Amino acid sequence: EAGVTQSPTHLIKTRGQQATLRCSPISGHTSVYWYQQALGLGLQFLLWYDEGEERNRGNFPPRFSGRQFPNYSSELNVNALELEDSALYLCASSPEEGYTDTQYFGPGTRLTVL
Amino acid sequence: AQSVTQLGSHVSVSEGALVLLRCNYSSSVPPYLFWYVQYPNQGLQLLLKYTTGATLVKGINGFEAEFKKSETSFHLTKPSAHMSDAAEYFCAVSRYNQGGKLIFGQGTELSVKP
Repeated sequence: EAGVTQSPTHLIKTRGQQATLRCSPISGHTSVYWYQQALGLGLQFLLWYDEGEERNRGNFPPRFSGRQFPNYSSELNVNALELEDSALYLCASSPEEGYTDTQYFGPGTRLTVL
Repeated sequence: AQSVTQLGSHVSVSEGALVLLRCNYSSSVPPYLFWYVQYPNQGLQLLLKYTTGATLVKGINGFEAEFKKSETSFHLTKPSAHMSDAAEYFCAVSRYNQGGKLIFGQGTELSVKP
């Protein structure tokens, strides 16, 4: 069974540009989560999507947004990029919504903002 | 607010020695608890999780963890370290009122000396 996949692996942008990161969950999983892993800041929760709806978002500005498609894949968009947005962005999926379910992580997208 | 504390940002052990990585959580209600491992330039891999029931949880690669409610702890152990165990380890908690997100500790980097 294929795991969570993310694309691209690496993304280099300049300040002010927009970045789009993509995630495909494990087959049969309906919930998708996004996390940011920035140097010195640890793993921070960004967004949670389930059945196409945004269910929760972390303490990030509105320029971080996303969506979930009917096939449960997801996209994270970061507008007006700032230097501090440089980080590893991890996507995770789980079978159902709920705090009891294990979140399975993808390999991440390394975003570098110059 | 829920928080997770991992004691020691860096732990070094010799090959064959006991591995002990500490995790404490703050919660009046026992959460669901997870340990993940992250190898360099990779995503997170689930080692083990505690939901309910038996307090000693066995995971992959010979790791286990014990949930101690009285101490609000969920320490990770492995009897004999292997070189391939060198990685960063994250403890995480999940609760019903956290809106699906995992709250992570700051991580512990494990080094294994030959």
